[in-house]
Amino acid sequence: QKEVEQDPGPLSVPEGAIVSLNCTYSNSAFQYFMWYRQYSRKGPELLMYTYSSGNKEDGRFTAQVDKSSKYISLFIRDSQPSDSATYLCASCYLYKLSFGAGTTVTVRA
Amino acid sequence: NAGVTQTPKFQVLKTGQSMTLQCAQDMNHNSMYWYRQDPGMGLRLIYYSASEGTTDKGEVPNGYNVSRLNKREFSLRLESAAPSQTSVYFCASQTSVEAYNEQFFGPGTRLTVL
Repeated sequence: QKEVEQDPGPLSVPEGAIVSLNCTYSNSAFQYFMWYRQYSRKGPELLMYTYSSGNKEDGRFTAQVDKSSKYISLFIRDSQPSDSATYLCASCYLYKLSFGAGTTVTVRA
Repeated sequence: NAGVTQTPKFQVLKTGQSMTLQCAQDMNHNSMYWYRQDPGMGLRLIYYSASEGTTDKGEVPNGYNVSRLNKREFSLRLESAAPSQTSVYFCASQTSVEAYNEQFFGPGTRLTVL
């Protein structure tokens, strides 16, 4: 069983919709939780990270972590076609990242 | 400032052939990583180097070897390629392993083994 589970989708939404992405994890030792964005045929880039439980907001993006349920979420408000990408959740313990499988999102104009 | 660079971008090998994937970073990072990315599996760690002169196995090291040539460069070698090694390979670097910080990824090498 993977340490981080993520529904691979794909997910297709109209422009302006709210995109909701979710992951679960199994290792209680994880302390940092990240979302990476990967455009087609590119390397992943860090979008946001949070430490422990709570919310973090950056413009149209909100990341949430609930350590009691081992749940990681990313919300994209007012989605744009430029948000079309694969989104990977990841968790960090010590120096190693464990990644989810990634969810491919398409925002239709 | 190029960040993390990888060569080659694409490669096709026959089963049993060997090759080396090259990675270099110009951010003065101590730690470097090799991942493979397969559909439905996400990124899986092959090997990492916490600092110059050290290397350690990750989640899927079988069939691979690595060399941390200097602080900038970290290579991945396939001694006898197998079709199961068809994948996209990413190199990444980060400041250090002592505390969490962002990993920066290269553009990837797309490898097909026939």
